[in-house]
Amino acid sequence: GAVVSQHPSWVICKSGTSVKIECRSLDFQATTMFWYRQFPKQSLMLMATSNEGSKATYEQGVEKDKFLINHASLTLSTLTVTSAHPEDSSFYICSAPGDGTSGSREQYFGPGTRLTVT
Amino acid sequence: GQQLNQSPQSMFIQEGEDVSMNCTSSSIFNTWLWYKQDPGEGPVLLIALYKAGELTSNGRLTAQFGITRKDSFLNISASIPSDVGIYFCAGHTRETSGSRLTFGEGTQLTVNP
Repeated sequence: GAVVSQHPSWVICKSGTSVKIECRSLDFQATTMFWYRQFPKQSLMLMATSNEGSKATYEQGVEKDKFLINHASLTLSTLTVTSAHPEDSSFYICSAPGDGTSGSREQYFGPGTRLTVT
Repeated sequence: GQQLNQSPQSMFIQEGEDVSMNCTSSSIFNTWLWYKQDPGEGPVLLIALYKAGELTSNGRLTAQFGITRKDSFLNISASIPSDVGIYFCAGHTRETSGSRLTFGEGTQLTVNP
């Protein structure tokens, strides 16, 4: 299957600062990537769909000004959590469709980024 | 929105036993996917199902796409300790804005040696 990486794997930041998380497709190009967050003992919740060359599509209830998404190239999407607060502490996971396009039915996930805001 | 009901929420079994978990939905999906997630890691795709009625195996894992397209099950035979983890079902739909996955709540599997 397709390989997706994330960086960093974990980060601790102070309240009020911003944190950037990178998601890369390693052996394929992806015009679409997805960002999820997962709280302990819960399922994955889709936050937004990242589109190369256009604006991201955010799910209802997700603040686009707080969670900035930039799909900089066909292999890189970034999620920036701005003015982070302790309630933003979570496990953030990205995924990419198997064939790199929005029409693909399988998604392959990165290893996740554990964000802790103190 | 769409919801997937996954059961059971957790299972505690002995090594060597078979396991079965399932997902149901009030909505139709055109693809069912089963993932396994280990602690602190991202989900790993186990099996993908594309057609109603399809039965697919991957080693000791077998999954089926329900004929109504509203349900799917995953069986694990002869469980081993490394099967421990959280198993998620996911249904795929294609919308005008692109594809999206809807996830079940997960089944936490514990295997006692």
